[in-house]
Amino acid sequence: AQSVTQLGSHVSVSEGALVLLRCNYSSSVPPYLFWYVQYPNQGLQLLLKYTTGATLVKGINGFEAEFKKSETSFHLTKPSAHMSDAAEYFCAVTRGFQKLVFGTGTRLLVSP
Amino acid sequence: SQTIHQWPATLVQPVGSPLSLECTVEGTSNPNLYWYRQAAGRGLQLLFYSVGIGQISSEVPQNLSASRPQDRQFILSSKKLLLSDSGFYLCAQKTDTYGYTFGSGTRLTVV
Repeated sequence: AQSVTQLGSHVSVSEGALVLLRCNYSSSVPPYLFWYVQYPNQGLQLLLKYTTGATLVKGINGFEAEFKKSETSFHLTKPSAHMSDAAEYFCAVTRGFQKLVFGTGTRLLVSP
Repeated sequence: SQTIHQWPATLVQPVGSPLSLECTVEGTSNPNLYWYRQAAGRGLQLLFYSVGIGQISSEVPQNLSASRPQDRQFILSSKKLLLSDSGFYLCAQKTDTYGYTFGSGTRLTVV
């Protein structure tokens, strides 16, 4: 079975600071990994995904994530936080036709 | 393009009342469809998924049921709502081998 663990239910940063949201996965086969963002009372929007190939994946809004097989991690980063980045972020894992399994989410708070 | 429509956006229902949430998709045929629930302070939990008309798989035992009467329609139902059914319900569609698209969600409050 596949699963993801997101460390920290809340992360607080100042505007302009580095954003780091952690995600570790468990999978018996090479995983497909995703980061989604959710703004209040809205659906999920895909930020980026890793399937195969380059392990550093760039997404929308300046976010990127690196797939590290040796660490079973897929942490999300952004060099400089913006107030509009405040939202909830979900890491997810799947493989091919299997179901998409989400982590419990991390709420990002950005202060001026 | 592939679009998911969910309604209503918000719903307040008394305990013991029935529930019907509808999800319809556009732009593809025979999609894999999913219902997720997000409870307050918790992550996204997969409730049901469907790979075709009349084919429903349940992930967790609960007070809810799902049906797929048409290729592009996925319905979440309950005969009698519980307080614990409150949450944010999201419909999702698998768009290709790697991609999923989500609807805008329904905020259900059971009072």
